[in-house]
Amino acid sequence: DQQVKQNSPSLSVQEGRISILNCDYTNSMFDYFLWYKKYPAEGPTFLISISSIKDKNEDGRFTVFLNKSAKHLSLHIVPSQPGDSAVYFCAATPGNEKLTFGTGTRLTIIP
Amino acid sequence: EPEVTQTPSHQVTQMGQEVILRCVPISNHLYFYWYRQILGQKVEFLVSFYNNEISEKSEIFDDQFSVERPDGSNFTLKIRSTKLEDSAMYFCASKIRDQPTNEQFFGPGTRLTVL
Repeated sequence: DQQVKQNSPSLSVQEGRISILNCDYTNSMFDYFLWYKKYPAEGPTFLISISSIKDKNEDGRFTVFLNKSAKHLSLHIVPSQPGDSAVYFCAATPGNEKLTFGTGTRLTIIP
Repeated sequence: EPEVTQTPSHQVTQMGQEVILRCVPISNHLYFYWYRQILGQKVEFLVSFYNNEISEKSEIFDDQFSVERPDGSNFTLKIRSTKLEDSAMYFCASKIRDQPTNEQFFGPGTRLTVL
């Protein structure tokens, strides 16, 4: 069951540059999408979300883009900072209680 | 800042034993969840709980699992007879109410090791 996919297990980005993390989904019933950040030995921390009625949502350095026709979303972090190094999970829900997570992308920011 | 807490941080048990994982959700939250993450795999939904009853559960959440909110603050996950494949990180989460962001707040997790 791979309803939410993050095809890049890891990504390295120079400090100050843009980090782009990608996520694809297959379930057309999903109508809300979230990005979580996770450090080792901690639980996922909510970053930003987007409803299917929008195509962009911005919060400070973080912007999420949604392309419904392609069933694709991306998280942009600009500028990238060393503290952004973590595992990033994309999650989706059809508006009920259950979040379906992707496998995560490990982001490493190189100073 | 309010946060979800979980105890213990690490639980080691023998196969076949019962374990209870405990969570204290954020105090004004109404929806409660358990997820798990097997090492190297993705975070998987187990169960959601609202108004003192299960609102949704996954295929993983079989008869060996149960949840309870025994008082106004704790939310527990019980595994009656643990199996080796139950070894995982278990995360509790809570949400204030139906809200546009659907944001669920996660605890730090309990690492369960079944020997």
